[in-house]
Amino acid sequence: NAGVTQTPKFRVLKTGQSMTLLCAQDMNHEYMYWYRQDPGMGLRLIHYSVGEGTTAKGEVPDGYNVSRLKKQNFLLGLESAAPSQTSVYFCASSDPDTRAKNIQYFGAGTRLSVL
Amino acid sequence: RKEVEQDPGPFNVPEGATVAFNCTYSNSASQSFFWYRQDCRKEPKLLMSVYSSGNEDGRFTAQLNRASQYISLLIRDSKLSDSATYLCVVNNRAGSARQLTFGSGTQLTVLP
Repeated sequence: NAGVTQTPKFRVLKTGQSMTLLCAQDMNHEYMYWYRQDPGMGLRLIHYSVGEGTTAKGEVPDGYNVSRLKKQNFLLGLESAAPSQTSVYFCASSDPDTRAKNIQYFGAGTRLSVL
Repeated sequence: RKEVEQDPGPFNVPEGATVAFNCTYSNSASQSFFWYRQDCRKEPKLLMSVYSSGNEDGRFTAQLNRASQYISLLIRDSKLSDSATYLCVVNNRAGSARQLTFGSGTQLTVLP
């Protein structure tokens, strides 16, 4: 059981380049999330999704777009990368219909550097 | 003011010591509380939920004081493997999703 899988694990971009981070979960969870983690800042929510075809903004959505075309996948896009987007990105998922509805399961993270 | 505040540490303690972490949260409407553990360069993982009556899981004890908006984690008989960053996490039920607000973490190093 893979849980939450993120690809790629590492990436270096030049300013202005675009890329897409992929998150896939095999737990049939309804909710999915994208966070970024910076030193001393904790995890901050970028965007989230409460189901296939729906997305919503989190705390720090600017510069990012997301799509949830399939229930198991949640994509995070950077249209024009900036050095301020250098961070570690985590995807997570949760199941709202169980006793564990507030527990989020995380992928291993993507380390992104924007030069 | 941050929604969830933690002492960043680092806490350096010898094996076998008892160590306590504290956390305060600003939203009095917060409903669910957790401690997550994050190993160096790894993803956060749930350590334990925190209940109003306090709860224990082996060497770990979590307590919640809603009146003071304060959460604590006590680790007894520390092991080398307890070295990690401990994240205080609060669920505010903002919007329609189970959004969690994370503290920036308290770093623990258990020394041999």
